[in-house]
Amino acid sequence: DAGVTQSPTHLIKTRGQQVTLRCSPKSGHDTVSWYQQALGQGPQFIFQYYEEEERQRGNFPDRFSGHQFPNYSSELNVNALLLGDSALYLCASLPSGAGVVAPLHFGNGTRLTVT
Amino acid sequence: RKEVEQDPGPFNVPEGATVAFNCTYSNSASQSFFWYRQDCRKEPKLLMSVYSSGNEDGRFTAQLNRASQYISLLIRDSKLSDSATYLCVVNKAGMEYGNKLVFGAGTILRVKS
Repeated sequence: DAGVTQSPTHLIKTRGQQVTLRCSPKSGHDTVSWYQQALGQGPQFIFQYYEEEERQRGNFPDRFSGHQFPNYSSELNVNALLLGDSALYLCASLPSGAGVVAPLHFGNGTRLTVT
Repeated sequence: RKEVEQDPGPFNVPEGATVAFNCTYSNSASQSFFWYRQDCRKEPKLLMSVYSSGNEDGRFTAQLNRASQYISLLIRDSKLSDSATYLCVVNKAGMEYGNKLVFGAGTILRVKS
């Protein structure tokens, strides 16, 4: 049973470009959360998707957007890339009704480098 | 003040040593607490949940002090393979859908032979 899978593993983009990262949740999970981890920092919450809608959002600008598909997979889009967007982007999934006490299990992440 | 604060370290300890990390959190309404371990350039992985009564998993012991709003992790008989960054994690209370976790910046542990 595959866990959370993310693609691509690594990505290099230029300032001003746009990027799309992809996440497939663990089988049986329908909620997807995205986190950004800059070098030397802990992961920061970007947003969470459930039933194809954004349900929660962290303190990230509108350049960060997402989507969830009927099969529960999700995309994270970042427009007008800045050097500061260089980070490890992590996806985690949960079954619905997991509640506040459930920990998150992350995919391997996508390492984005903006030059 | 940061929501979750940790001593960044690094903690440099010899094999076999006992080492303890502390973490403080600012939201008194937080409900769930975790320690994650992160190896270099890898994703964070759950090490253990932290319960009010304290809990142990082999060489690892976690404690929660709600009154003082701090969480601790004790590692006994350190192994070289324990070298990693340890992330203190707290849930964001009041979230309808739950699981909006707030991470500390991590504490670096280096175990040396």
